Amino acid sequence: NAGVTQTPKFQVLKTGQSMTLQCAQDMNHEYMSWYRQDPGMGLRLIHYSVGAGITDQGEVPNGYNVSRSTTEDFPLRLLSAAPSQTSVYFCASTLSGAQGFGGYTFGSGTRLTVV
Amino acid sequence: GDSVTQMEGPVTLSEEAFLTINCTYTATGYPSLFWYVQYPGEGLQLLLKATKADDKGSNKGFEATYRKETTSFHLEKGSVQVSDSAVYFCALTDQAGTALIFGKGTTLSVSS
Repeated sequence: NAGVTQTPKFQVLKTGQSMTLQCAQDMNHEYMSWYRQDPGMGLRLIHYSVGAGITDQGEVPNGYNVSRSTTEDFPLRLLSAAPSQTSVYFCASTLSGAQGFGGYTFGSGTRLTVV
Repeated sequence: GDSVTQMEGPVTLSEEAFLTINCTYTATGYPSLFWYVQYPGEGLQLLLKATKADDKGSNKGFEATYRKETTSFHLEKGSVQVSDSAVYFCALTDQAGTALIFGKGTTLSVSS
């Protein structure tokens, strides 16, 4: 049981480059979400999804795109990287509240540096 | 909107000391409340949770009680260990659990 798998673990980008952070879960969780962690800011919600084909914006969505074509995968796309997007990114998933809410399971994170 | 406020850190304690990390929240309706822990260089792990008023979550000697009247969910442990050194996050969700809202985190450092 792999849980939530994020790739890559580390990435360095140049300003203006684009890339996709991958997130996959094998627990048949309906809800998935992306957070960024910055010093002194805690974790802030970027985008979330309540099922395949359904996504919505969180607190800090600008500069990021998401899609959810399958239950398992929830990639996060940086369209044109900026130094302000230097952060640690976490993906998380959970069963829906209707199925019993046990708390989110987090991936191990992607440390992104934009130079 | 919904929000979580936790005490500023760092919190520095000696081994076997009593720990309290304060957490208060603002939310509409009846959120579920959580404490997550992040050990150095790792992701977040669920420490404990409570889904309704007066529920007590507990795990690994840590406890927190959902107090609706004071909108609080303070984390406590009677005797901390060096291995408890980590960052602790208080969080909430709405009833549908669509996403988590986090506090800014409290760093705990325990020395022997």
